[in-house]
Amino acid sequence: DAGVIQSPRHEVTEMGQEVTLRCKPISGHDYLFWYRQTMMRGLELLIYFNNNVPIDDSGMPEDRFSAKMPNASFSTLKIQPSEPRDSAVYFCASSFGIQETQYFGPGTRLLVL
Amino acid sequence: QKEVEQNSGPLSVPEGAIASLNCTYSDRGSQSFFWYRQYSGKSPELIMSIYSNGDKEDGRFTAQLNKASQYVSLLIRDSQPSDSATYLCAVKAGFQKLVFGTGTRLLVSP
Repeated sequence: DAGVIQSPRHEVTEMGQEVTLRCKPISGHDYLFWYRQTMMRGLELLIYFNNNVPIDDSGMPEDRFSAKMPNASFSTLKIQPSEPRDSAVYFCASSFGIQETQYFGPGTRLLVL
Repeated sequence: QKEVEQNSGPLSVPEGAIASLNCTYSDRGSQSFFWYRQYSGKSPELIMSIYSNGDKEDGRFTAQLNKASQYVSLLIRDSQPSDSATYLCAVKAGFQKLVFGTGTRLLVSP
């Protein structure tokens, strides 16, 4: 299996622009997680899906952030408009069952100027 | 108080020594405990999980859990320079989400 796939790997954008991050989970996994990692706050869960349905989005920082999972093999995290404080590494992870090991993708390094 | 606390380090140990990484958590209902390793610029990868009090060994790694003290640790025996990384402690209560600590950076010098 190719593992969790994320794109783009790096993104540099200007404040106010829309940013879309993409994730393809491991085939057969029914849970998908979006995390954000910063030096100050560490790894924070933003939202997670079960069978394409959002279960907990309490970690989404504000309305500028939105996430969708239109099918079992694809999810997006969108930031609109982006701000410099959104600069971070965004990880997608997937698992087969909520109790099972989460496998992380390589991450998207976002820099908002 | 943070839900999961770790000393940020760096923790420096010489090659061949035992590295001891510690983590405390605030939710007494926590049932599952994990250690992830993250190399610089890479994604976290699971190295150990522990669910009951006591020790769990896997190769050079030993996870220790003390629920009464709300404390979990990771021991790395015969530390190698390749063990140099950030180690993230993660805790879950039942079916709740995984909560990560901010990690401890380990440096193993040759």
